[in-house]
Amino acid sequence: AQSVAQPEDQVNVAEGNPLTVKCTYSVSGNPYLFWYVQYPNRGLQFLLKYITGDNLVKGSYGFEAEFNKSQTSFHLKKPSALVSDSALYFCAVRDMASGTYKYIFGTGTRLKVLA
Amino acid sequence: SQTIHQWPATLVQPVGSPLSLECTVEGTSNPNLYWYRQAAGRGLQLLFYSVGIGQISSEVPQNLSASRPQDRQFILSSKKLLLSDSGFYLCAWSMTGPSYGYTFGSGTRLTVV
Repeated sequence: AQSVAQPEDQVNVAEGNPLTVKCTYSVSGNPYLFWYVQYPNRGLQFLLKYITGDNLVKGSYGFEAEFNKSQTSFHLKKPSALVSDSALYFCAVRDMASGTYKYIFGTGTRLKVLA
Repeated sequence: SQTIHQWPATLVQPVGSPLSLECTVEGTSNPNLYWYRQAAGRGLQLLFYSVGIGQISSEVPQNLSASRPQDRQFILSSKKLLLSDSGFYLCAWSMTGPSYGYTFGSGTRLTVV
């Protein structure tokens, strides 16, 4: 079965420090991986995706993610956190087995950046 | 450019009343359309998806239904709301193909009282 896991409910980091939000996946075949961010009472916004190619993917707002096939991980990173990065972050993988290209979302990780 | 509109932004409805939430997409044709519900500000539950006019797939049995009367219009409905239908409802669209991301609407906060 295809799945995605975000092992941390919440991540706290001080402003200016690097941040990492973890995501691991389990899929058959090549993974199509995505990160989204959600601010309070808003829809999700696309941050970045990995389809193929370079393992380090750069996205919006200074975020990047590293695809690691051997560890089946796709962790979201940012070198220097801002208070405005505080939000709910979702990792997602395409459900290729269903043939419908639906997402399988993780349960979300709440990021709190402390001033 | 493509845009997605979802309304209303907030809704308070009594138990037993009907529901209609609407979502429209502009600037593209034949999009895949999705309705999600988010409870307690966390996990996302896929309710319905549609790959074309009149084609609706339901992910979970529930008190809700969906329709797609036009190519870029997706409607979420209920004949009689339950308290458990409260939540944050999100519409999304994507192009067909695994490499395309979703674009989400701004959401509807539904409170059933």
